[in-house]
Amino acid sequence: DSGVTQTPKHLITATGQRVTLRCSPRSGDLSVYWYQQSLDQGLQFLIQYYNGEERAKGNILERFSAQQFPDLHSELNLSSLELGDSALYFCASSVGTLSNQPQHFGDGTRLSIL
Amino acid sequence: AQTVTQSQPEMSVQEAETVTLSCTYDTSESDYYLFWYKQPPSRQMILVIRQEAYKQQNATENRFSVNFQKAAKSFSLKISDSQLGDAAMYFCAYRSGGGANSKLTFGKGITLSVRP
Repeated sequence: DSGVTQTPKHLITATGQRVTLRCSPRSGDLSVYWYQQSLDQGLQFLIQYYNGEERAKGNILERFSAQQFPDLHSELNLSSLELGDSALYFCASSVGTLSNQPQHFGDGTRLSIL
Repeated sequence: AQTVTQSQPEMSVQEAETVTLSCTYDTSESDYYLFWYKQPPSRQMILVIRQEAYKQQNATENRFSVNFQKAAKSFSLKISDSQLGDAAMYFCAYRSGGGANSKLTFGKGITLSVRP
């Protein structure tokens, strides 16, 4: 158990809809990262938050947004969903932003778009 | 931009044997970290081993060790005495050492099967 909690584990929805994925980091971790794992794109970094502020952005679509709340949990919002958004979405957390601080991954949320 | 390449999509090893998974990367940075993650069918991402670029000594974690060749930008993972539980997808990953952009950049992964 990594200590990172992601909910829900599975999500099935239709095209055009909007969903929210939730992540609770490990106790004491201030940094949260979101990654997308799809068959065609592999594992890609989406966005990072540190103590409530956005720190880095990767290949995140404009239809996607994220935030980190004062209690440090994070949410990833996906809107106007398309079939290609079907993927496994991982949240990871680390103590801070330094590269020598390991990232601990949650079990992921499997998103299926019908 | 940094890239990570895992050219072998699949590998197979006999139980108790040794297998080496290859990874190459491209970067112009001198300070960085390299990682191997394991993703079993349960889909968890489990950190197997990490290597700091400034360290010449290859990292070792029990049955797992790496061969880090900085000049060649190569970072292979050796699994000794392979066990059935080692069957999984393995990802090589790169992380800049600067701290300002500490995301992980992953390779495409390699599926390892272990034959009993």
